[in-house]
Amino acid sequence: EIVLTQSPGTLSLSPGERATLSCRASQSVSSGNLAWYQQKPGQAPRLLIYGASSRATGIPDRFSGSGSGTDFTLTISRVEPEDFVVYYCQQYGSSPRTFGQGTKVEIK
Amino acid sequence: QVQLVQSGAEVKKPGASVRVSCKASGYTFSSYGMHWVRQAPGQRLEWMGWINTGNGDTEYSQKFQGRVTITRDTSARTAYMELSSLKSEDTAVYYCARDHFPIVLMVSANWFDPWGQGTLVTVSA
Repeated sequence: EIVLTQSPGTLSLSPGERATLSCRASQSVSSGNLAWYQQKPGQAPRLLIYGASSRATGIPDRFSGSGSGTDFTLTISRVEPEDFVVYYCQQYGSSPRTFGQGTKVEIK
Repeated sequence: QVQLVQSGAEVKKPGASVRVSCKASGYTFSSYGMHWVRQAPGQRLEWMGWINTGNGDTEYSQKFQGRVTITRDTSARTAYMELSSLKSEDTAVYYCARDHFPIVLMVSANWFDPWGQGTLVTVSA
């Protein structure tokens, strides 16, 4: 099983700042089969990024993904008020599909 | 538009079983795989298993093997997840989530989009 570790657990930022979220895998994620999801309180996760770097339909271009192998990054170029929520990475290249423990982006 | 609507909240006693449903609309139900993911309070998302809605084949996480059963009713466009021998640790929000690629493309590496709204299952004596 691939274990995903996200860091930091909580990221404190002011609106307009840049957010850098990390996701590290215990073994290589095949073919960049990594996704990022955003979860607002009381809602289901929403797909942001797939294939490590491709934005899902309707996702603003301030969100970008990068990385390969075992190290992946989600970047929010300028954090908007609605972005202060929780983000999860997921690998879907091998079974069981696994998720990171999440990073909460909070207002500083 | 593609939508997954789940059944309502459940309260169960330890040892009981629960069945959660997920009704799909906006696409051909039997053309896409369906996954089940749960989220216990303060815990990470946890994949439970999935069903090939076309032929009914299933795959389950080792953690839930023997306790979870995923089925589908193609005429009702609905997938089901049944979890048995419930324990307090099974208290969680349970989500269904659709594969991105249609089954016919035989792509095993699928991200999940969209997700159902979630069903809270509370296990308490």
